[in-house]
Formats: sequence, C-alpha cells, structure tokens
Amino acid sequence: AQSVTQLGSHVSVSEGALVLLRCNYSSSVPPYLFWYVQYPNQGLQLLLKYTSAATLVKGINGFEAEFKKSETSFHLTKPSAHMSDAAEYFCAVTAPYNNNDMRFGAGTRLTVKP
Amino acid sequence: GAGVSQSPSNKVTEKGKDVELRCDPISGHTALYWYRQSLGQGLEFLIYFQGNSAPDKSGLPSDRFSAERTGGSVSTLTIQRTQQEDSAVYLCASSQLAGGLGEQFFGPGTRLTVL
Repeated sequence: AQSVTQLGSHVSVSEGALVLLRCNYSSSVPPYLFWYVQYPNQGLQLLLKYTSAATLVKGINGFEAEFKKSETSFHLTKPSAHMSDAAEYFCAVTAPYNNNDMRFGAGTRLTVKP
Repeated sequence: GAGVSQSPSNKVTEKGKDVELRCDPISGHTALYWYRQSLGQGLEFLIYFQGNSAPDKSGLPSDRFSAERTGGSVSTLTIQRTQQEDSAVYLCASSQLAGGLGEQFFGPGTRLTVL
C-alpha cells in the first residue's frame, strides 16, 4: 500500500518569499504523485502530477515539484509567494497498476503574509 | 462537460437521524470515491467503487456508514443514527479507469452538521 506524509500542517511565508511544502511518500512500486490545492470555500483541484516522465513537474500558478526517488520525496515549491496562494495543499499517491486507489496526506495550510 | 456534482450542498440534521448524501460522477468515469474532511483535518478516505468490482470499504469509520453505487453511476453515502462527530464536509471524486493516471475530479462537497 502507498502512503504520503506531509511535514508541517501549517506553513507561513511572506509575500514574495519562497514556498516549500514537503511531502514524502512510501510505496513498494514506482508511484504516481500528485499535489492538489483547495482554496477557501472551494473544492479540490489538481495542481500538478508526476507519472514517471520528467522528474521536475511544472503545474499551474507557477508551482513545481521534483520527484526524488533517493529521498522518497515530492516537495512542492514556488519561487515567490503571492497572496492568492493562501490555501490548503494536499499531496497524494497512487500505484500505476492500481491508480484508482489514491491516498492523500493530511494537508498543509499555507498562509501568505503581506 | 459537467463535473462531479453533489447534493445537498448543506445538510443540518439532529443527532440520531439518518442522512443520505448523493454524488453524480463525471459520465464515463468508472471509479468513484468518498472522502471526509473534518474541520482542520485532511482528507479521510472512506470508500471507493471501481466498475463492477466489490467496493473497498476499508475507510468506513463504523457500521453506521454505508454506500452504494447504482448502475455504475450515481452513488449514495448513508449515515445512520448520526452523531455530532460525523459533522464534516463529505467529498466525492471520480476518475477514469482506462489509461487513467489517477487524477481525481472532485465535487464541491456536502457540508453535514449534526446538532
């Protein structure tokens, strides 16, 4: 079975600062990895995904994530935070042979200070 | 096309009552999931349906919770004898099976409040 651990339930950054949201996965097979974002009072939407192609994945709104097998990590980054990035971010994992069984992390709430 | 829809958007009920939450997945999506999101918590997996296979019920928190999916499309999550700790947002998601990359499309959720 797969699982993900998101380090830090709350992250606060200043506007313009680097955003780094951490996700580590556990999987017995090469995983597919996802980041979802949930803006206040909205549903979840896909931010980006890794599906065994390029290890550096670019998503919407300037976010990107890098798959590092040696570290079993898939951290989400953005060079410069914007106020509109304030949201909850969820990391998720599936296995390619059973990619409809997705497991989510507990989420990280990002706060952006002016 | 239309996305995943859920109804009702909000439900307030009294402790001990039964409730039914509905999910209409994207047409053609064979996989359907239910999650629970409690205040300040992440997504808690409840159950998922995949085609005609037996559902994975491993996430259901108690026997008061049940779900069915009729005709491989619409799904209903039923909570019997609701308790205050059942108050949460219940999210439904669907995804394609064929050639799928696991991307799930989420509905807006049903906010359940148990008084």
